[in-house]
Amino acid sequence: GAGVSQSPSNKVTEKGKDVELRCDPISGHTALYWYRQSLGQGLEFLIYFQGNSAPDKSGLPSDRFSAERTGGSVSTLTIQRTQQEDSAVYLCASSLLAGDEQYFGPGTRLTVT
Amino acid sequence: SQQGEEDPQALSIQEGENATMNCSYKTSINNLQWYRQNSGRGLVHLILIRSNEREKHSGRLRVTLDTSKKSSSLLITASRAADTASYFCATEGALGGAGSYQLTFGKGTKLSVIP
Repeated sequence: GAGVSQSPSNKVTEKGKDVELRCDPISGHTALYWYRQSLGQGLEFLIYFQGNSAPDKSGLPSDRFSAERTGGSVSTLTIQRTQQEDSAVYLCASSLLAGDEQYFGPGTRLTVT
Repeated sequence: SQQGEEDPQALSIQEGENATMNCSYKTSINNLQWYRQNSGRGLVHLILIRSNEREKHSGRLRVTLDTSKKSSSLLITASRAADTASYFCATEGALGGAGSYQLTFGKGTKLSVIP
């Protein structure tokens, strides 16, 4: 079956612009996670959705970052007024249930110039 | 912040040899997962071991978990050139506690398998 997919695979944007990153989880998976990977910080948790529960936003680095998950499936991560330090690979993962194996997508490489 | 710390940071071995990577962590966990990453993208899930398990096998992979020492090891037997990658351990926080359901990653071990 299809794995987690993310789009775009690469995004270059100017400082101050808003960007939207998309994640399609594995069909049937109830939990969805966003992480980012950068040279300086390694792999960091950003946000987690489980079913219809309120998301765990504890990893979001600032209020410029937000995410939503529509219909319990597709998720969009939005970064407003991008800064150069936002440059990273943004990874999405899903799991059948919370606490199960998390399967990752290929990531979106974001470069803020 | 990083919870898991892999050791060594880099490992170079000959094809056919075994590779052992270690991971230490700081807080109580629900499970620990090992991942492989090639070329800085695409984390591939290798194995999950729960806090009440001590050892798991999958093909040429063997993972151990010692919760009293807060450590885990990943053993790859009969290594192949295709095993060359970075390997990460990731811990999921204990249920109901801080970090529940979110993975906290170590910095990884870079494995090079020389043909």
